[in-house]
Amino acid sequence: EVQLLESGGGLVQPGGSLRLSCVTSGFTFRSYAMSWVRQAPGKGLEWVSGISDTGGTTYYADSVKGRFTISRDNSKNTLYMQVNSLRAEDTAVYFCAKDSFTISGVVVYWYFDLWGRGTLVTVSS
Amino acid sequence: SYELTQPPSVSVSPGQTARITCSGDALSKKYAYWYQQKSGQAPVLVIYEDSKRPSGIPERFSGSSSGTMATLTISGARVEDEADFYCYSTDSTGNQRVFGTGTKVTVL
Repeated sequence: EVQLLESGGGLVQPGGSLRLSCVTSGFTFRSYAMSWVRQAPGKGLEWVSGISDTGGTTYYADSVKGRFTISRDNSKNTLYMQVNSLRAEDTAVYFCAKDSFTISGVVVYWYFDLWGRGTLVTVSS
Repeated sequence: SYELTQPPSVSVSPGQTARITCSGDALSKKYAYWYQQKSGQAPVLVIYEDSKRPSGIPERFSGSSSGTMATLTISGARVEDEADFYCYSTDSTGNQRVFGTGTKVTVL
């Protein structure tokens, strides 16, 4: 059974930091790109960051660029995100998601095919 | 930045058909994907590449796309289908990964 289990969330003051983790099982982690997606309370979904299967390429939404850092340890089947300089607007449930893709002609279509249950980050003084 | 627009809510009686639209300029060139999110749960992929259904997703869920609009259809809606539904796609360059604004589907 495929599982993605996030942890590391909590209450943190503005300007603080956290390290989120996502432990995976049931699939060959090192073969897949991964992403973080967040959802503020009562709001919609927002893609935050992505990382290639080897970890050599990373991507960020403009809203978190320079403050968040995605990484992975393929020997531990684990995805991470270091979140720094946190703001009130970063308050959200952070989901870990497995990326999948299809190729049509020369175009690659990326999407998320499996998700974890999320970990809540609350930024408040 | 690129946006995908959905109606905030759709209501349907059990057994009837619910249609959820997703509008975006690049949808004529890019696939649409649909996610169902029940209260307090993680999203689940219900449609990929405009109209394909992942294994385990009931046949009552179907998708289509025409021009700059994609549509998710729930035929014979059930009470257990109540959830928030989000479309997803990318901008024309493929660099921006975007979710739609979300639609709350009520079955009663």
